[in-house]
Amino acid sequence: DAKTTQPNSMESNEEEPVHLPCNHSTISGTDYIHWYRQLPSQGPEYVIHGLTSNVNNRMASLAIAEDRKSSTLILHRATLRDAAVYYCTDQGGSEKLVFGKGTKLTVNP
Amino acid sequence: DVKVTQSSRYLVKRTGEKVFLECVQDMDHENMFWYRQDPGLGLRLIYFSYDVKMKEKGDIPEGYSVSREKKERFSLILESASTNQTSMYLCASSSAGPLAGYTFGSGTRLTVV
Repeated sequence: DAKTTQPNSMESNEEEPVHLPCNHSTISGTDYIHWYRQLPSQGPEYVIHGLTSNVNNRMASLAIAEDRKSSTLILHRATLRDAAVYYCTDQGGSEKLVFGKGTKLTVNP
Repeated sequence: DVKVTQSSRYLVKRTGEKVFLECVQDMDHENMFWYRQDPGLGLRLIYFSYDVKMKEKGDIPEGYSVSREKKERFSLILESASTNQTSMYLCASSSAGPLAGYTFGSGTRLTVV
């Protein structure tokens, strides 16, 4: 099964960029990297995913290392509404995502 | 708006009761999943299903069973609830394939007393 490693918590100030790291120790060549976030009292929601190239969408950017053993979710300007637990995951060759413990992001006003 | 609906937001049951947690999705997704979430442990996969009447064990299936009689509905069953099954339960669905993102429900907070 896929295994990812993230810091337990990170802190940022409002309007500043945030870089959330993830290590993908068991990723294989065809596994996509996914990021989700979970706002308080809600289920997780999809943020972004990618395979090899860096990806951008309206929520965030995803930077993937050349060896794909690590990825970074980038929030370009953190807002208070971005305070959440962020999960990175990859599929370990199957269609099921194995979630780790995630990174709790605190955004200070 | 596409969504995954879990039948109850909060549920309190007694030890030994049979408990059904229901999940319905309206996206015609092939895959459905049940996770539980506990403080400090993250999301752990209980069971998943790739198709109607198909089920596979996740990482922590003990004490649980599932049923998928229709494509849109995936039920989690606690045959005899115990206090260590007090948790937040999250249902998710996805279409087939590695690109498919998961859509999660809002969760059911189950307390077993």
